[in-house]
Amino acid sequence: AQSVTQPDIHITVSEGASLELRCNYSYGATPYLFWYVQSPGQGLQLLLKYFSGDTLVQGIKGFEAEFKRSQSSFNLRKPSVHWSDAAEYFCAVSDLSGTASKLTFGTGTRLQVTL
Amino acid sequence: EPEVTQTPSHQVTQMGQEVILRCVPISNHLYFYWYRQILGQKVEFLVSFYNNEISEKSEIFDDQFSVERPDGSNFTLKIRSTKLEDSAMYFCASRASGMYNEQFFGPGTRLTVL
Repeated sequence: AQSVTQPDIHITVSEGASLELRCNYSYGATPYLFWYVQSPGQGLQLLLKYFSGDTLVQGIKGFEAEFKRSQSSFNLRKPSVHWSDAAEYFCAVSDLSGTASKLTFGTGTRLQVTL
Repeated sequence: EPEVTQTPSHQVTQMGQEVILRCVPISNHLYFYWYRQILGQKVEFLVSFYNNEISEKSEIFDDQFSVERPDGSNFTLKIRSTKLEDSAMYFCASRASGMYNEQFFGPGTRLTVL
């Protein structure tokens, strides 16, 4: 069964500092990977996705993620964090084996940004 | 920009009561989903729906739950007899056809069972 691990429950960074959020996945075939962001009281917004091709993918709001098959990782990065980036970030993997393509989420990383 | 909408934003109910959570998916999408997030926990898949039938459901989605697409626009989740542990945020999502299209999520309905 597919699974996603986000080892960091809570991360605090200063505004302007760089950010890396970790994600490790377990999936038998080529994974289809996502990062979603959830602001307080809001739904889930897609930041970026990866299925194949270039292992460095660009997303919205200046985020990028790198797929590393050898490490089963899909870490999210941003070179300079803004206060508005404070939110909860979820990594997810999609099961492409059936028609459902359900998402399996990690437990999330809560990002706090200090000014 | 098209978006998934959900109503109500917050529902409070008594244990044992039936609730219906409503969703309006993006209009040209064909795949529909419900997920839930218990406070402080991760988002969990409940059920997927395609071509007017359930395509997959999780262990959570027992006989107390049902889904329906009563007309061309709405997608509903019914909980027949709510329990305290059903208290959670429920997210609806929809996806266009094509394996690699992402799911778009609604803002969620917070269900509180007293």
